[in-house]
Amino acid sequence: GESVGLHLPTLSVQEGDNSIINCAYSNSASDYFIWYKQESGKGPQFIIDIRSNMDKRQGQRVTVLLNKTVKHLSLQIAATQPGDSAVYFCAEAGYSTLTFGKGTMLLVSP
Amino acid sequence: GAGVSQTPSNKVTEKGKYVELRCDPISGHTALYWYRQSLGQGPEFLIYFQGTGAADDSGLPNDRFFAVRPEGSVSTLKIQRTERGDSAVYLCASSPDTGNTGELFFGEGSRLTVL
Repeated sequence: GESVGLHLPTLSVQEGDNSIINCAYSNSASDYFIWYKQESGKGPQFIIDIRSNMDKRQGQRVTVLLNKTVKHLSLQIAATQPGDSAVYFCAEAGYSTLTFGKGTMLLVSP
Repeated sequence: GAGVSQTPSNKVTEKGKYVELRCDPISGHTALYWYRQSLGQGPEFLIYFQGTGAADDSGLPNDRFFAVRPEGSVSTLKIQRTERGDSAVYLCASSPDTGNTGELFFGEGSRLTVL
């Protein structure tokens, strides 16, 4: 979904559920994507990345899926924990810059 | 310290004043980046240094903004004649080299408020 000003898209889940956060990108030439997590009052923290020659990559409790046909990324978090509560950003990598999306807030209830 | 350090953590200034924000990157990281983040938005690229030189300053919004990294380590972002629209969190990040990696190590940011 789109966010306007302060109104970030928000996903609310229960502890232990699986979470899926979606991201649409605009540049069909982009070939490298990254997910970042940002907790309140902190800088963004790298989670996982994926290059365009892959459609899936797994990390610890996280999986990123890439659908180049529809220019869509998703981040799946397994067994979501309260410590996963944060804003999640997808980013497209250029030569020297990252272009961040607007972010999705994940709220995890115990 | 182990991480990227930014000072001050908070800065309140008046419209028209000059401001400097400092970034200490992770030791040995040659690449340094400045981003700006407004409330409810993702970080926006400002400038990238490789060593001492600004390799890409295409994100600086206008000539009131300037950044230096004279010895290839600490960087200072300088904002002249501040405006209320400059209020944001200014994030610094570093990485070992461009290496075509998206893994940047961010500091906690300097929150600038222009009254």
